[in-house]
Amino acid sequence: EMQLVESGGALVQPGESLRLSCRGSGFTFSTFWMNWVRQGPGKGLEWVASINQDGSETYYADSVRGRFSISRDNTDKSLSLLMDSLRGEDTAIYYCVRGWHCATWGQGTPVTVSS
Amino acid sequence: DVVLTQSPLSLPVTLGQPASISCRSSESLLHRDENTYVNWFQQRPGQSPRRLIYKVSDRGSGVPDRFSGSGSGTNFTLVISRVEAEDVGVYYCMQGTHWPWTFGQGTSVEI
Repeated sequence: EMQLVESGGALVQPGESLRLSCRGSGFTFSTFWMNWVRQGPGKGLEWVASINQDGSETYYADSVRGRFSISRDNTDKSLSLLMDSLRGEDTAIYYCVRGWHCATWGQGTPVTVSS
Repeated sequence: DVVLTQSPLSLPVTLGQPASISCRSSESLLHRDENTYVNWFQQRPGQSPRRLIYKVSDRGSGVPDRFSGSGSGTNFTLVISRVEAEDVGVYYCMQGTHWPWTFGQGTSVEI
């Protein structure tokens, strides 16, 4: 069974940093684009960032570019999202998503940015 | 950025009857590789999103055949041929043709 498990969500203060992780299983991790998508409280879905199979290409939403960094470790079958300079508007559930066609979603990890 | 506009935003449905959701794009979603990267997702209350349709009309693994997608260019549609109780939730279209990827606002389907 293909599965994605996120971790690392927490309550942090504005301006602080946080690293989210996602572990994939049940599929050949290194052959898929990987993505982060978030959903603010009571809001819709917002694409955050994507990374290609070998990590040589990355793309970011304007709202996070320069503050967030996506990376992957294919040996460890893991995806990361390093989030710096966090703001209140970054409060959301963050989902790890497999593939260009977004076939598989994790259960999400909650991030709350508040003083 | 590409803007996806869904309609309606709220869709009351009757069990056993069809339902249709529209997704209109601010620009063509035909990629230079000649594919059109439009996905549809279902999010049931309290759950993660689940992909239903990719590349406009391809049904995902395990997705019931009562769900179908169609369209081209800037106009796309998700149809549920016969609504069942488990179909209650919010439905989103998404485009993966142009960076940044964008989602529609969501359509709430309620019985």
